[in-house]
Amino acid sequence: AQSVTQLDSQVPVFEEAPVELRCNYSSSVSVYLFWYVQYPNQGLQLLLKYLSGSTLVESINGFEAEFNKSQTSFHLRKPSVHISDTAEYFCAVDSTSYGKLTFGQGTILTVHP
Amino acid sequence: NAGVTQTPKFRILKIGQSMTLQCTQDMNHNYMYWYRQDPGMGLKLIYYSVGAGITDKGEVPNGYNVSRSTTEDFPLRLELAAPSQTSVYFCASSYEGEGSPLHFGNGTRLTVT
Repeated sequence: AQSVTQLDSQVPVFEEAPVELRCNYSSSVSVYLFWYVQYPNQGLQLLLKYLSGSTLVESINGFEAEFNKSQTSFHLRKPSVHISDTAEYFCAVDSTSYGKLTFGQGTILTVHP
Repeated sequence: NAGVTQTPKFRILKIGQSMTLQCTQDMNHNYMYWYRQDPGMGLKLIYYSVGAGITDKGEVPNGYNVSRSTTEDFPLRLELAAPSQTSVYFCASSYEGEGSPLHFGNGTRLTVT
């Protein structure tokens, strides 16, 4: 069985400050890892993914995440956040066939001016 | 670019009523999924399908049914609505299943009273 734990349910931060959203997973087999973002009243959108290769993956809007196999973590970071980054962020793991994702509980990121 | 389309956007049901949540995708994806999202709980997989005519249960299938007669459509049926089914329902699709990112619809907000 696989599971995902997002360690913070809410993260408030000021604009232009750095942020880290933490994600730990458990799985007995190799995994694919994802971060999704959800803006109010919308569906989830893919932010970035780790499938294989380099353990550091980046998104087009400045987020990055590092796969750490020994610590079973996939934390999301951004060096300088914007008001528009305010959203809920979900970490997800896929270690089964058929692409069935297991999601974490979500972290609400609120960026204050 | 329609992507994944869900209808209706909102619905209020009385206990014991039935309804079908519609989901259609125009990306020719083989894999389709139904998730429910409850506050602080992340997303839980209800049912999934790997192609027309093939469906299987996810983590929380009780009280729901699905069918997949075409590649495009994946309706979710609630037969006897209960208050515990009050939730936001998301349909998603992916091209290759394992390791492929999911494309989500904008969700259906269902209230059962």
